[in-house]
Amino acid sequence: NAGVTQTPKFRILKIGQSMTLQCTQDMNHNYMYWYRQDPGMGLKLIYYSVGAGITDKGEVPNGYNVSRSTTEDFPLRLELAAPSQTSVYFCASSRPGTSGTTGELFFGEGSRLTVL
Amino acid sequence: AQKITQTQPGMFVQEKEAVTLDCTYDTSDQSYGLFWYKQPSSGEMIFLIYQGSYDEQNATEGRYSLNFQKARKSANLVISASQLGDSAMYFCAMSTYGQNFVFGPGTRLSVLP
Repeated sequence: NAGVTQTPKFRILKIGQSMTLQCTQDMNHNYMYWYRQDPGMGLKLIYYSVGAGITDKGEVPNGYNVSRSTTEDFPLRLELAAPSQTSVYFCASSRPGTSGTTGELFFGEGSRLTVL
Repeated sequence: AQKITQTQPGMFVQEKEAVTLDCTYDTSDQSYGLFWYKQPSSGEMIFLIYQGSYDEQNATEGRYSLNFQKARKSANLVISASQLGDSAMYFCAMSTYGQNFVFGPGTRLSVLP
């Protein structure tokens, strides 16, 4: 059982380049999330999705785009990379929780992105 | 807006002793979930324990327990009988209606031999 798979695990970008971080899950979870974690800090929510075709902005969406065409996949697009986007990116998925909330998040291993 | 506060950037505990990691939260929603995650130096996120806002009893999972005080909006994590392998970052998190899921800044726990 693969769970949540992120690719690539490491990437170095030049300023102004674009790239897509891939995320796929095989648990048939409706909810998917993208977070970034700067060194020594907590996780900041970039975007999330409650199902195919539905996405919402989190705390720090600027400079990123997402799409959710299938239940399994939730790619994160970085346009015009900037040094401030150097971070570790985590994808996560979840099933519904109780009373309209979310169950526990299942995380990918993370993708370390450096923008030079 | 939902917010999680963890006021202890770092904590030390002696091996085999208990330690409490503080977490307070802010939400106007009546229905929410509270979670604790562990992040060792290897970087993966490990789910530890969950407490629902309507749960009347405090959650327990092995050596982990969650001290839930709803009126004070606190959800402290208690680790009993600390082990060297407990040294890690610990994050408190909250899920509210609408599937928003936010994390606190974390507490770094160091277990001393």
